[in-house]
Amino acid sequence: QAVLTQPSSLSASPGASASLICTLRSDINVGSYRIHWYQQKPGSPPQFILKSRSVSDKQPGSGVPSRFSESKDVSANAGILVISGLQSEDEGDYYCMVWHSSAWVFGGGTKLTVL
Amino acid sequence: EVHLVESGGGLVTPGGSLRLSCAASRFSLSNAWMNWVRQTPGKGLEWIGRIKSKPDGGTIDYAAPVKDRFTISRDDSENMLFLQINSLRTDDTAVYYCCGSDFYDGSGYNFDYWGQGTLVTVSS
Repeated sequence: QAVLTQPSSLSASPGASASLICTLRSDINVGSYRIHWYQQKPGSPPQFILKSRSVSDKQPGSGVPSRFSESKDVSANAGILVISGLQSEDEGDYYCMVWHSSAWVFGGGTKLTVL
Repeated sequence: EVHLVESGGGLVTPGGSLRLSCAASRFSLSNAWMNWVRQTPGKGLEWIGRIKSKPDGGTIDYAAPVKDRFTISRDDSENMLFLQINSLRTDDTAVYYCCGSDFYDGSGYNFDYWGQGTLVTVSS
């Protein structure tokens, strides 16, 4: 089972909110991990959005709008990237990442479509 | 503005070797924690390894699947980062990115800066 699992795709309407979910493998506890989020648009490298370990331990990337936030669903063992006020420019692939067993591990990514 | 430029990719036959380079401008690689990440066509991201900054000892770590064939190095005088790949396989076909940061934000070094990537194609 993969360390991080992300839904392959998600669609949402402009102006709405989107919740991108990153589920950790059942034997590791989301509360113990700082989850990083990256956005990638076609033809471009990924871009750091933010990282978070807890409510009091969050670091946004430089210039990232406040529309991007993060939360955790402890019951689901998942980190969630929330994008509010969706805009067409938010379309792209979103990857979560954690440091696990002395290595950076990426989730498989979620393709977000804004339509 | 920080600029990272990868080079050295191309078409290679299985079993061959390749050395990728990452040149940095307006950014000191010796003071940064730098990584190599690859992305297979149409698929996701895979971390290859990292080299810590010189002040932090320059330690190198690798992902388990690649540690026997991949070697990361740095030339501080040239401000260059390298990735040597040996015994290339078809599943090494990917875009290879260098990325990293020289800024410790209190909890670590993020992948703040990325190059545009260099494509490696392994095929006979």
